[in-house]
Amino acid sequence: DAGVTQSPTHLIKTRGQQVTLRCSPKSGHDTVSWYQQALGQGPQFIFQYYEEEERQRGNFPDRFSGHQFPNYSSELNVNALLLGDSALYLCASSLGSGSYEQYFGPGTRLTVT
Amino acid sequence: SQQGEEDPQALSIQEGENATMNCSYKTSINNLQWYRQNSGRGLVHLILIRSNEREKHSGRLRVTLDTSKKSSSLLITASRAADTASYFCATDNYGQNFVFGPGTRLSVLP
Repeated sequence: DAGVTQSPTHLIKTRGQQVTLRCSPKSGHDTVSWYQQALGQGPQFIFQYYEEEERQRGNFPDRFSGHQFPNYSSELNVNALLLGDSALYLCASSLGSGSYEQYFGPGTRLTVT
Repeated sequence: SQQGEEDPQALSIQEGENATMNCSYKTSINNLQWYRQNSGRGLVHLILIRSNEREKHSGRLRVTLDTSKKSSSLLITASRAADTASYFCATDNYGQNFVFGPGTRLSVLP
C-alpha cells in the first residue's frame, strides 16, 4: 500500500519562471492538501482539493494554483516565482475534506535563484 | 500569525531523559495533533487529542490538553537518539485546514 508520493524531490528554478509540483495521494484517499514550509518554520496551508475542486485556501496569492485529477492526484502550480517561494512543499492526503487524519508525503524542495 | 506556538524553540537532552515541549494556541479548536519531522522531510503523525479529552498516551508519548489555558504539552519519556527531530503541534478549527506552529527542535545526545 503506497503512501503519499511527491515529485520531483528537488527542483531549482529562476525568478520569474513557473513550476509544477505533483502529488499522488495514499491509496483510498480522495482529498489532497498542499503546504509550504520555509526553512525553520512550520508548514503553512496553501489549499485543499476535494472532488476536483479547491475547497479551502490559505493566505497565498493567486500565483499559487492547483488542480486535482479524477484519480485524485494533484498538481501545485506556482507562477512568476520569487526568491521567497523557496521552501519545502508538502502534500498531504486524507479521506474526505473534513478528515482529521492527514498523511504527508516527503515533500519537494524548491529553490528559486 | 500562526495559531500554534511551540515552546521551547530548541531542546537538547541526554538519551534516557524525558523531553517536554509545549504548544499554545489562540482560538477554539476541535482537536490538536502532534507531528514529528526528521531533517526537513515529510511529517509523521504522532497523536491526536480531541477538545473534550485531557490526556492521551501512545507508547512513550503522553499528551495533555488544557482548553481553558489553550495549551497542550507533549512528553517523550526515556528519549532515544532516534527521537531527534522537529516536533509540531497543529490545530484543527472544526474541519478547517490544519494550522501548524513553528516547532520545537529536539536533540537527543547519546
